Amino acid sequence: QSVLTQAPSTSGTPGQRVTISCSGTSSNIGSNYVHWYQQLPGTAPKLLIYRSNQRPSGVPDRFSGSKSGTSASLAISGLRSEDEADYYCATWDDSLSAWVFGGGTKMTVL
Amino acid sequence: QVQLVESGGGVVQPGVSLRLSCAASEFIFSRYGMHWVRQAPGKGLEWVALISYDGSKRYYADSVKGRFTISRDNSKNTLYMHMNSLRVEDTAVYYCANDLWQFCTIPSCFLMDVWGQGTTVTVSS
Repeated sequence: QSVLTQAPSTSGTPGQRVTISCSGTSSNIGSNYVHWYQQLPGTAPKLLIYRSNQRPSGVPDRFSGSKSGTSASLAISGLRSEDEADYYCATWDDSLSAWVFGGGTKMTVL
Repeated sequence: QVQLVESGGGVVQPGVSLRLSCAASEFIFSRYGMHWVRQAPGKGLEWVALISYDGSKRYYADSVKGRFTISRDNSKNTLYMHMNSLRVEDTAVYYCANDLWQFCTIPSCFLMDVWGQGTTVTVSS
């Protein structure tokens, strides 16, 4: 059971806007930045969004993040087939003094 | 381009020890904190441990605390994970990752940026 809660799967059609949610508590999301990772099939994870809404260089602006209270969201607009991947939220947990990840959401492009 | 290459994985029996290495290049290793993250077969990501750029700060997941030790040798640009008393549930791909920012010493600064390709540890009798 992951400390952060994500839906196991979601799907969308090309061109659609989809969102992935991540729910936590006051000791993690509620008091720290949320970060998002993309893991394409068979590859290592890649930092996609940091500090809740910042994109590393090279990440398309189709990807955006937000945070409100103890929840966070990743939005993908103009969905493409290459966005088919697992997406993980992550943050620091003050109570655990540890990094915690969500269980991951598998994005399927129909 | 940051390069991280993990090694040291293998198939071992429960209870034994193993040491993983992560060779870093193309960035100033001694300025960046480092992390180990693992992924069990077919499962999600689990953060394991982190060490600050100078080794003064170390944090561990509860699941490995007391059994695993993270260390680094800045003269060799290498990160290590010493794993003792291995359990079946430690079976996973182990990734190393560097911090996004330099000279981090507080938790809000530590953040996994570039990841290596991973090394596989299988614990089985």
